Amino acid sequence: QQPVQSPQAVILREGEDAVINCSSSKALYSVHWYRQKHGEAPVFLMILLKGGEQKGHEKISASFNEKKQQSSLYLTASQLSYSGTYFCGTLTTDSWGKLQFGAGTQVVVTP
Amino acid sequence: NAGVTQTPKFRILKIGQSMTLQCAQDMNHNYMYWYRQDPGMGLKLIYYSVGAGITDKGEVPNGYNVSRSTTEDFPLRLELAAPSQTSVYFCASSYSISRGAGVNYGYTFGSGTRLTVV
Repeated sequence: QQPVQSPQAVILREGEDAVINCSSSKALYSVHWYRQKHGEAPVFLMILLKGGEQKGHEKISASFNEKKQQSSLYLTASQLSYSGTYFCGTLTTDSWGKLQFGAGTQVVVTP
Repeated sequence: NAGVTQTPKFRILKIGQSMTLQCAQDMNHNYMYWYRQDPGMGLKLIYYSVGAGITDKGEVPNGYNVSRSTTEDFPLRLELAAPSQTSVYFCASSYSISRGAGVNYGYTFGSGTRLTVV
Protein backbone atom coordinates (compact mmCIF):
# COMPACT_ATOMS: atom_id res chain seq x y z
CA GLN A 1 0.00 0.00 0.00
CA GLN A 2 1.45 3.33 -1.04
CA PRO A 3 2.28 5.99 1.56
CA VAL A 4 0.01 9.02 1.93
CA GLN A 5 1.51 12.45 1.33
CA SER A 6 0.12 15.78 2.44
CA PRO A 7 -0.50 18.43 1.37
CA GLN A 8 -1.13 17.75 -2.32
CA ALA A 9 0.23 21.15 -3.26
CA VAL A 10 1.74 24.20 -1.65
CA ILE A 11 2.57 27.66 -2.96
CA LEU A 12 5.36 29.58 -1.24
CA ARG A 13 7.04 32.90 -1.59
CA GLU A 14 10.83 32.87 -1.72
CA GLY A 15 12.19 32.67 1.81
CA GLU A 16 9.12 30.99 3.34
CA ASP A 17 9.11 27.56 4.97
CA ALA A 18 6.99 24.49 4.27
CA VAL A 19 6.51 20.98 5.64
CA ILE A 20 5.55 17.92 3.60
CA ASN A 21 4.32 14.83 5.43
CA CYS A 22 4.47 11.17 4.46
CA SER A 23 2.55 8.49 6.38
CA SER A 24 2.49 4.73 6.09
CA SER A 25 0.04 2.14 7.40
CA LYS A 26 2.89 -0.39 7.71
CA ALA A 27 6.06 -0.53 9.75
CA LEU A 28 8.89 1.19 7.92
CA TYR A 29 12.53 0.30 7.45
CA SER A 30 13.41 3.50 5.69
CA VAL A 31 12.06 6.53 3.88
CA HIS A 32 13.46 8.14 0.74
CA TRP A 33 12.74 11.65 -0.53
CA TYR A 34 12.94 12.66 -4.20
CA ARG A 35 12.29 15.86 -6.15
CA GLN A 36 11.04 15.85 -9.72
CA LYS A 37 11.01 18.93 -11.91
CA HIS A 38 8.53 19.11 -14.75
CA GLY A 39 9.49 16.83 -17.64
CA GLU A 40 12.51 15.42 -15.82
CA ALA A 41 13.37 12.31 -13.86
CA PRO A 42 13.07 12.18 -10.06
CA VAL A 43 16.28 13.09 -8.24
CA PHE A 44 17.28 11.52 -4.94
CA LEU A 45 17.45 13.95 -2.01
CA MET A 46 18.00 11.83 1.06
CA ILE A 47 17.29 8.55 2.83
CA LEU A 48 16.27 8.15 6.45
CA LEU A 49 16.67 4.92 8.34
CA LYS A 50 14.61 3.83 11.33
CA GLY A 51 15.89 5.36 14.53
CA GLY A 52 14.41 8.83 14.23
CA GLU A 53 17.42 10.40 12.58
CA GLN A 54 17.26 13.68 10.80
CA LYS A 55 19.12 14.54 7.66
CA GLY A 56 19.72 17.58 5.56
CA HIS A 57 20.36 18.55 1.99
CA GLU A 58 21.12 22.26 1.51
CA LYS A 59 18.27 23.90 3.46
CA ILE A 60 16.05 20.88 3.03
CA SER A 61 15.91 18.52 5.99
CA ALA A 62 13.78 15.56 7.01
CA SER A 63 12.82 13.58 10.06
CA PHE A 64 11.59 10.03 10.52
CA ASN A 65 9.33 8.96 13.37
CA GLU A 66 9.45 5.17 13.36
CA LYS A 67 6.73 4.76 15.99
CA LYS A 68 4.27 6.93 14.10
CA GLN A 69 5.36 5.43 10.76
CA GLN A 70 5.77 8.84 9.25
CA SER A 71 8.37 11.18 7.85
CA SER A 72 8.37 14.92 7.29
CA LEU A 73 10.36 16.99 4.80
CA TYR A 74 11.18 20.57 5.79
CA LEU A 75 11.84 23.23 3.19
CA THR A 76 13.51 26.11 4.98
CA ALA A 77 13.97 29.61 3.53
CA SER A 78 12.73 28.29 0.20
CA GLN A 79 14.47 29.21 -3.03
CA LEU A 80 13.05 29.33 -6.55
CA SER A 81 15.03 26.17 -7.33
CA TYR A 82 12.97 24.24 -4.76
CA SER A 83 9.96 24.24 -7.07
CA GLY A 84 8.95 20.78 -8.23
CA THR A 85 7.06 17.73 -7.08
CA TYR A 86 8.35 15.98 -3.99
CA PHE A 87 7.82 12.27 -3.55
CA CYS A 88 8.41 10.13 -0.54
CA GLY A 89 9.26 6.48 -1.07
CA THR A 90 8.89 3.92 1.68
CA LEU A 91 10.47 0.55 2.36
CA THR A 92 8.32 -1.61 4.61
CA THR A 93 8.93 -4.87 6.40
CA ASP A 94 7.48 -6.82 3.49
CA SER A 95 8.65 -4.78 0.51
CA TRP A 96 12.24 -6.10 0.37
CA GLY A 97 13.95 -3.34 -1.55
CA LYS A 98 10.90 -2.19 -3.52
CA LEU A 99 10.17 1.44 -2.88
CA GLN A 100 6.51 2.44 -2.86
CA PHE A 101 6.03 6.07 -3.79
CA GLY A 102 3.46 8.51 -2.54
CA ALA A 103 1.34 10.52 -4.98
CA GLY A 104 3.59 13.54 -4.60
CA THR A 105 3.39 17.10 -3.31
CA GLN A 106 3.65 19.88 -5.85
CA VAL A 107 5.67 22.83 -4.54
CA VAL A 108 5.64 26.18 -6.31
CA VAL A 109 8.02 28.86 -5.06
CA THR A 110 7.29 32.35 -6.36
CA PRO A 111 9.52 35.44 -6.29
CA ASN B 1 30.06 7.75 -16.01
CA ALA B 2 26.65 7.93 -17.73
CA GLY B 3 24.48 6.67 -14.84
CA VAL B 4 21.21 5.15 -16.11
CA THR B 5 20.58 5.38 -19.86
CA GLN B 6 17.14 4.81 -21.35
CA THR B 7 16.22 4.53 -25.01
CA PRO B 8 14.18 5.61 -26.83
CA LYS B 9 13.11 8.94 -25.30
CA PHE B 10 9.83 9.06 -27.20
CA ARG B 11 7.77 6.47 -29.04
CA ILE B 12 4.33 6.20 -30.59
CA LEU B 13 2.91 2.70 -30.92
CA LYS B 14 -0.23 1.45 -32.56
CA ILE B 15 -2.57 -0.79 -30.58
CA GLY B 16 -1.35 -4.37 -30.73
CA GLN B 17 2.26 -3.54 -31.59
CA SER B 18 5.15 -4.62 -29.40
CA MET B 19 8.37 -2.90 -28.39
CA THR B 20 11.29 -3.09 -26.02
CA LEU B 21 12.37 -0.22 -23.81
CA GLN B 22 16.09 -0.35 -23.18
CA CYS B 23 17.79 0.46 -19.88
CA ALA B 24 21.48 0.29 -19.05
CA GLN B 25 23.46 1.39 -15.99
CA ASP B 26 27.21 1.66 -15.52
CA MET B 27 27.35 2.03 -11.73
CA ASN B 28 27.54 -1.69 -10.94
CA HIS B 29 24.23 -1.47 -9.07
CA ASN B 30 22.68 -4.81 -8.17
CA TYR B 31 19.03 -3.63 -8.05
CA MET B 32 17.18 -2.35 -11.09
CA TYR B 33 13.57 -1.24 -11.46
CA TRP B 34 10.94 -0.22 -13.98
CA TYR B 35 8.33 2.33 -12.98
CA ARG B 36 5.54 3.98 -14.90
CA GLN B 37 4.22 7.44 -14.17
CA ASP B 38 0.86 8.55 -15.45
CA PRO B 39 0.18 12.31 -15.79
CA GLY B 40 0.02 14.05 -12.42
CA MET B 41 0.50 10.79 -10.57
CA GLY B 42 3.16 9.01 -8.59
CA LEU B 43 5.39 6.16 -9.68
CA LYS B 44 4.06 2.62 -9.94
CA LEU B 45 6.48 -0.31 -9.89
CA ILE B 46 6.17 -2.66 -12.88
CA TYR B 47 9.05 -5.10 -12.38
CA TYR B 48 12.30 -5.18 -10.50
CA SER B 49 15.49 -7.23 -10.36
CA VAL B 50 17.87 -7.91 -7.48
CA GLY B 51 20.63 -9.22 -9.74
CA ALA B 52 21.39 -10.87 -13.06
CA GLY B 53 18.95 -13.70 -13.73
CA ILE B 54 16.53 -12.69 -10.95
CA THR B 55 13.37 -10.70 -11.62
CA ASP B 56 10.06 -10.25 -9.85
CA LYS B 57 6.73 -8.52 -10.33
CA GLY B 58 5.84 -5.15 -8.90
CA GLU B 59 2.41 -3.55 -8.47
CA VAL B 60 1.39 -3.33 -12.16
CA PRO B 61 3.14 -6.11 -14.16
CA ASN B 62 0.31 -7.09 -16.53
CA GLY B 63 1.17 -6.51 -20.18
CA TYR B 64 4.92 -6.31 -19.56
CA ASN B 65 7.88 -8.67 -19.41
CA VAL B 66 11.48 -8.24 -18.33
CA SER B 67 14.74 -10.10 -18.40
CA ARG B 68 18.11 -9.43 -16.85
CA SER B 69 20.96 -11.36 -18.37
CA THR B 70 23.69 -8.96 -17.22
CA THR B 71 24.20 -6.61 -14.27
CA GLU B 72 24.14 -3.61 -16.61
CA ASP B 73 21.00 -4.17 -18.72
CA PHE B 74 17.32 -4.46 -17.80
CA PRO B 75 15.03 -4.23 -20.85
CA LEU B 76 11.25 -3.93 -20.55
CA ARG B 77 9.12 -5.64 -23.17
CA LEU B 78 5.61 -4.48 -24.04
CA GLU B 79 3.53 -7.09 -25.81
CA LEU B 80 0.28 -6.18 -27.60
CA ALA B 81 0.32 -2.49 -26.68
CA ALA B 82 -2.92 -1.00 -25.33
CA PRO B 83 -3.95 2.66 -24.80
CA SER B 84 -3.79 2.05 -21.02
CA GLN B 85 -0.02 1.66 -21.40
CA THR B 86 0.35 5.28 -22.49
CA SER B 87 2.66 6.65 -19.83
CA VAL B 88 6.16 7.80 -19.01
CA TYR B 89 8.43 4.89 -18.14
CA PHE B 90 11.38 5.30 -15.83
CA CYS B 91 14.15 2.83 -15.25
CA ALA B 92 16.08 3.14 -12.00
CA SER B 93 18.94 1.40 -10.25
CA SER B 94 20.28 1.24 -6.73
CA TYR B 95 22.74 -0.60 -4.58
CA SER B 96 21.61 -2.75 -1.67
CA ILE B 97 23.83 -4.35 0.89
CA SER B 98 21.39 -7.06 1.84
CA ARG B 99 18.10 -8.03 0.22
CA GLY B 100 16.43 -8.68 3.55
CA ALA B 101 17.73 -5.68 5.43
CA GLY B 102 15.50 -3.25 3.60
CA VAL B 103 18.37 -0.83 3.34
CA ASN B 104 18.92 0.56 -0.10
CA TYR B 105 20.92 3.50 -1.18
CA GLY B 106 19.12 6.17 -3.18
CA TYR B 107 17.74 5.34 -6.58
CA THR B 108 19.28 6.78 -9.73
CA PHE B 109 16.66 7.28 -12.42
CA GLY B 110 17.05 7.36 -16.17
CA SER B 111 15.61 10.29 -18.13
CA GLY B 112 12.48 8.35 -19.06
CA THR B 113 10.66 7.09 -22.16
CA ARG B 114 7.44 8.86 -23.10
CA LEU B 115 5.20 6.25 -24.75
CA THR B 116 1.91 6.92 -26.50
CA VAL B 117 -0.30 4.08 -27.71
CA VAL B 118 -2.87 5.07 -30.35
